Amino acid sequence: QVTLRESGPALVKPTQTLTLTCTFSGFSLSTTAMSVSWIRQPPGKALEWLARIDWDDGKSYNAFLRTRLTISKDTSKNEVVLRMINMDPVDTGTYYCARKMNLSGLDVWGQGTTVTVS
Amino acid sequence: DIQMTQSPSTVSASVGDRVTITCRASQSISMWLAWYQQKPGKAPKLLIYKSSSLENGVPPRFSGSGSGTEFTLTISSLQPDDFATYYCQGYYSYFPWTFGQGTKVDIK
Repeated sequence: QVTLRESGPALVKPTQTLTLTCTFSGFSLSTTAMSVSWIRQPPGKALEWLARIDWDDGKSYNAFLRTRLTISKDTSKNEVVLRMINMDPVDTGTYYCARKMNLSGLDVWGQGTTVTVS
Repeated sequence: DIQMTQSPSTVSASVGDRVTITCRASQSISMWLAWYQQKPGKAPKLLIYKSSSLENGVPPRFSGSGSGTEFTLTISSLQPDDFATYYCQGYYSYFPWTFGQGTKVDIK
């Protein structure tokens, strides 16, 4: 069974750095064509894709946020970490991690973690 | 970077209605388009990938079509469980991925 779980602080202050961890099981991020993405959703608003890390350590970032984001993986721990610097109240929302494999879309999602910037 | 534009933003429909949602990409993304359903307080659920491939376990009343810059999601006969918000996502490898702004399907 494939599962993903997000963890991190529920509350951060403006200008601080947010560090979120996605811990997954049931698949390996060293498998060809596998990737994990981070997505967020402000309260009452649309989904926003943030970043992706691929099986071969390729990385891609949201064009508007790329100067603030860093994504990394620890394959041995089955973890993907997202760092976002210079947090602002507009960054408040639910943060999800999700898996993509082969030609599919984001087929398995975590339950999300809520982050408030205040 | 690629922008995804969904229309309409809201659809008011009744059980049994046929519902169509459109997603347009600002440049060609070939077939790399997915559709998700999200209900309040829940994570999104993948419905369709690669424009028209139905995810395992998704009812066949959901279908997707399109390529290049224009895509559609169709629900052939709306069921009570289908009232939700739907998002498209372009996932072309050469560009950062993007979601559309969402379409809410509510009860007429």
